[in-house]
Amino acid sequence: EVQLLESGGGLVQPGGSRRLSCAASGFTFWNSAMTWVRQVPGKGLEWVSTISGFGGETFYADSVKGRFTISRDNFKNTVSLQMNSLRTEETAVYYCARGGHFSHFDYWGQGILVTVSS
Amino acid sequence: EIVLTQSPVTLSLSPGERATLSCRASQSLSNYLAWYQHKPGQAPRLLIYDASNRATGIPTRFSGSGSGTDFTLTISSLEPEDFAVYYCQQRTSWPRTFGQGTKVEIK
Repeated sequence: EVQLLESGGGLVQPGGSRRLSCAASGFTFWNSAMTWVRQVPGKGLEWVSTISGFGGETFYADSVKGRFTISRDNFKNTVSLQMNSLRTEETAVYYCARGGHFSHFDYWGQGILVTVSS
Repeated sequence: EIVLTQSPVTLSLSPGERATLSCRASQSLSNYLAWYQHKPGQAPRLLIYDASNRATGIPTRFSGSGSGTDFTLTISSLEPEDFAVYYCQQRTSWPRTFGQGTKVEIK
């Protein structure tokens, strides 16, 4: 069974940093692209970032480019999102999902809330 | 950036009725479009990938069609568990984008 479990959410001050992690199991992680998608409360889904299976390619939404960094550890089966210079409007539920490079997002985690507030 | 426009914004229907959701792209997607179902407090669920392929475990009442710039998700007969928000999403180019969503609500 495919499982994706996000961690690292919580309250962070504007301008602060937070690192999200997603632990994956139940599939061949090393050759699967992984993606982060977020949902601001009351709004729709927004793609944030994707990393290719071997990690050689990374892609970012313009709104986070230069502030967020996606990475993966194919030994630990984890994908992470380092978020710097966070803004209040980035308060959202962040979802980890499989796919996004040569496929759609076929499995999703339950999501983790990041609240950016003073 | 490819913009996806979904219509209608809200669809009010009764169980057993047919639901037809539309997604229009600002440029051709070939067939690289997916549909997701999202309920509050849950993970989004992939329903249809590459325009017309049902994902694993998805009931046959869900079907997708279209190519190029116009796509449709059809739910042939609404079940109580189908009332949710539905999003289309493209993987033709970067950035990946979603439509703004269609809420299917109980009439």
